[in-house]
Amino acid sequence: QKEVEQNSGPLSVPEGAIASLNCTYSDRGSQSFFWYRQYSGKSPELIMFIYSNGDKEDGRFTAQLNKASQYVSLLIRDSQPSDSATYLCAVNWGGTYKYIFGTGTRLKVLA
Amino acid sequence: ETGVTQTPRHLVMGMTNKKSLKCEQHLGHNAMYWYKQSAKKPLELMFVYNFKEQTENNSVPSRFSPECPNSSHLFLHLHTLQPEDSALYLCASSQGSGGDTEAFFGQGTRLTVV
Repeated sequence: QKEVEQNSGPLSVPEGAIASLNCTYSDRGSQSFFWYRQYSGKSPELIMFIYSNGDKEDGRFTAQLNKASQYVSLLIRDSQPSDSATYLCAVNWGGTYKYIFGTGTRLKVLA
Repeated sequence: ETGVTQTPRHLVMGMTNKKSLKCEQHLGHNAMYWYKQSAKKPLELMFVYNFKEQTENNSVPSRFSPECPNSSHLFLHLHTLQPEDSALYLCASSQGSGGDTEAFFGQGTRLTVV
């Protein structure tokens, strides 16, 4: 059973701080990793993906992948109240059409 | 037109009713998905279609019946549902699988079974 684990939170950070969101996965065959943001009552939207070990930066967001430890994280710099949402980690196995999601971490950025 | 469109947005149905959810994607993708999102549970993959062929049925009860007439349209036919089937049903599509290929989601159908 392939599993993706996230702390459900809520994770509360003050405005301007760095928010750190973590995700672990059970299957070493996992190849691609996605971070989605979901506002209450809305559908998930992609923030970024990563499939190589190391860091990948996109604006205020940095994804970090460590395949040896089987975890992927998302850092949000200069957090804004508008970043308050649930962040979903998703894992895909190359050559399959299965995106497996974690339960999501609820982030609250306090003004 | 938005990328992935789902109708209806909200649905209330009795346990003896038959209804259908519709999903349409305007992105030229080859794969389409149904996910179920319940409170405090991860998104559950239900069905996957690739070029109209079902490639995944994640042990979904037969009261949920998918239909994919072409790569742009996906339906979920519902009959004799249970109250625990109340959830947000999300349709998604993707071009290819994994790698740098993301799944794009529709706005979802909020289903309530009474």
